[in-house]
Amino acid sequence: GQQLNQSPQSMFIQEGEDVSMNCTSSSIFNTWLWYKQDPGEGPVLLIALYKAGELTSNGRLTAQFGITRKDSFLNISASIPSDVGIYFCAGRTPPQGGSEKLVFGKGMKLTVNP
Amino acid sequence: GAGVSQTPSNKVTEKGKYVELRCDPISGHTALYWYRQSLGQGPEFLIYFQGTGAADDSGLPNDRFFAVRPEGSVSTLKIQRTERGDSAVYLCASSSRLAGVGEQYFGPGTRLTVT
Repeated sequence: GQQLNQSPQSMFIQEGEDVSMNCTSSSIFNTWLWYKQDPGEGPVLLIALYKAGELTSNGRLTAQFGITRKDSFLNISASIPSDVGIYFCAGRTPPQGGSEKLVFGKGMKLTVNP
Repeated sequence: GAGVSQTPSNKVTEKGKYVELRCDPISGHTALYWYRQSLGQGPEFLIYFQGTGAADDSGLPNDRFFAVRPEGSVSTLKIQRTERGDSAVYLCASSSRLAGVGEQYFGPGTRLTVT
């Protein structure tokens, strides 16, 4: 099935450092979302973006919806050990017959060294 | 408040057997989604319900997969004649338009292993 291009695939950082990740698509999306998944759990929604160009923050997290509607990025500032996990971007396709399915990236595995 | 719940959390079955996976969405959420997540991959869409009807089943891989939501709340994903390639984590999500379009909340998943 279709998946978004998410990069990098993994990152190893020191506690306190900032980290950036991005997602690109060949298709236009009208919603971009960022999720975090811990082992054995389902993805947890971090940030949702609804308008091209929108910049949204949630605590130490900042995300932007690209102007072309084909990309998004997520920044985490001043990382802490509990930021460890897998981060997924997801795009929502324009409704076709009422569907609101999400298309996900492959994920970015973040490791934070204390 | 209660989130999305899924049962069982783990299911091991033999090749060729039939399995049912259950999802209890957040109370009041009209939309329900099933996704499948293979190791090292992001979730992949299977089927979407709006109320009792399947509004989009384009992600179901073949006719061995079927899902129902008879009363517009609990949903069951059914897999017939399971194959080893069906092994994955099956995730359920629900959403309410009142929460904002696209804000899907996921359950913990059912890990299916076909031996």
